[in-house]
Amino acid sequence: NAGVTQTPKFQVLKTGQSMTLQCAQDMNHEYMSWYRQDPGMGLRLIHYSVGAGITDQGEVPNGYNVSRSTTEDFPLRLLSAAPSQTSVYFCASSYSNSLNYEQYFGPGTRLTVT
Amino acid sequence: KNQVEQSPQSLIILEGKNCTLQCNYTVSPFSNLRWYKQDTGRGPVSLTIMTFSENTKSNGRYTATLDADTKQSSLHITASQLSDSASYICVVSARVVGNKLVFGAGTILRVKS
Repeated sequence: NAGVTQTPKFQVLKTGQSMTLQCAQDMNHEYMSWYRQDPGMGLRLIHYSVGAGITDQGEVPNGYNVSRSTTEDFPLRLLSAAPSQTSVYFCASSYSNSLNYEQYFGPGTRLTVT
Repeated sequence: KNQVEQSPQSLIILEGKNCTLQCNYTVSPFSNLRWYKQDTGRGPVSLTIMTFSENTKSNGRYTATLDADTKQSSLHITASQLSDSASYICVVSARVVGNKLVFGAGTILRVKS
């Protein structure tokens, strides 16, 4: 049981480039989400999904797209990278969106945009 | 505005000593409060989840307390170990559409030998 996996671990992009951060979970969780973590700030929600085919915006969605074609995978796409998107990105999953269920986080992707 | 504030920002203690981390929140309506441990270069890992009716919850050497009246929580670490060096994040859930989680910025703890 691998839990939540993310690839790549590190990535450097030039301004304007696009890329996809991968996230997968093997716990059959319905709820998945993407966060970014910046120094001195709490994690901020980018996008989330309550099940395959259903996605919604979080607190800071601009510049990012998501899709959820399967229960297991929830990729995050950066359309045109900007230096402001330099951050550490975490994917998380939970059995349900219900507040009392535990969220499991992946190991993170550290992204630098130059 | 829903906010979670943690103190101190950072803390250095000697191995074997105890310490207490603080969390104050203004999140409403309150659902539950979680403490996470985040090792350097890793994702957060849950330590405890406390609902409105719970005052204290323990997980090994970690004990969390919650005072819903004053909107304060603390995380007490007993007999600290080098492996306790990490960032500790307080997260409060708001019972609103989408079940919003509000994250604190964390307290960075360093345990020295």
